[in-house]
Amino acid sequence: KAGVTQTPRYLIKTRGQQVTLSCSPISGHRSVSWYQQTPGQGLQFLFEYFSETQRNKGNFPGRFSGRQFSNSRSEMNVSTLELGDSALYLCASSSGLAGGSGANVLTFGAGSRLTVL
Amino acid sequence: AQTVTQSQPEMSVQEAETVTLSCTYDTSESNYYLFWYKQPPSRQMILVIRQEAYKQQNATENRFSVNFQKAAKSFSLKISDSQLGDTAMYFCAFMKHTGANSKLTFGKGITLSVRP
Repeated sequence: KAGVTQTPRYLIKTRGQQVTLSCSPISGHRSVSWYQQTPGQGLQFLFEYFSETQRNKGNFPGRFSGRQFSNSRSEMNVSTLELGDSALYLCASSSGLAGGSGANVLTFGAGSRLTVL
Repeated sequence: AQTVTQSQPEMSVQEAETVTLSCTYDTSESNYYLFWYKQPPSRQMILVIRQEAYKQQNATENRFSVNFQKAAKSFSLKISDSQLGDTAMYFCAFMKHTGANSKLTFGKGITLSVRP
């Protein structure tokens, strides 16, 4: 069973540019959530998508957005990049359904390392 | 809002010995999940163990077990027979038990080094 796949693994951008990161969940998983990891702030929840709808959102500015496609793949976009957006962006997938032994268990991808210069 | 505190930034243990990683949390929720995740240098976040708050029995997974003290809001991870592959950053995390939910609140993490 393939795991959660994130692309690209590494990317370098300059301030003011925008970036799009992609996440393919485990087959059958309908929920995709995104987290930002930085040395200073640690791991912070960005948002969650389930069946193409944003179901939950963290405290990030509107420059951070996402979407989910009908095949459950998700993308997140950061516009007008700032130096502080340099981070490891982690995607996680889950069934998205309550109940069962796998309920609420997130499986993470290897992350996309974004460097903003 | 929930908070998760891991007060020890680093720990070191000799191979084959036992080590305990501490975690405390604060919440007004009565039902929730607690997790320990491991992040090795490869950066892949791996689930170590999960505890459901309404279950009094402590979760165990092979060499990994937890000591869950709900009243004290404490959730420590014990690693027995430590192996070199256990070297990683370990994160304690909290999730509300409100139906389907994917929002984890993480602690700052602890770096564990296993010495040969």
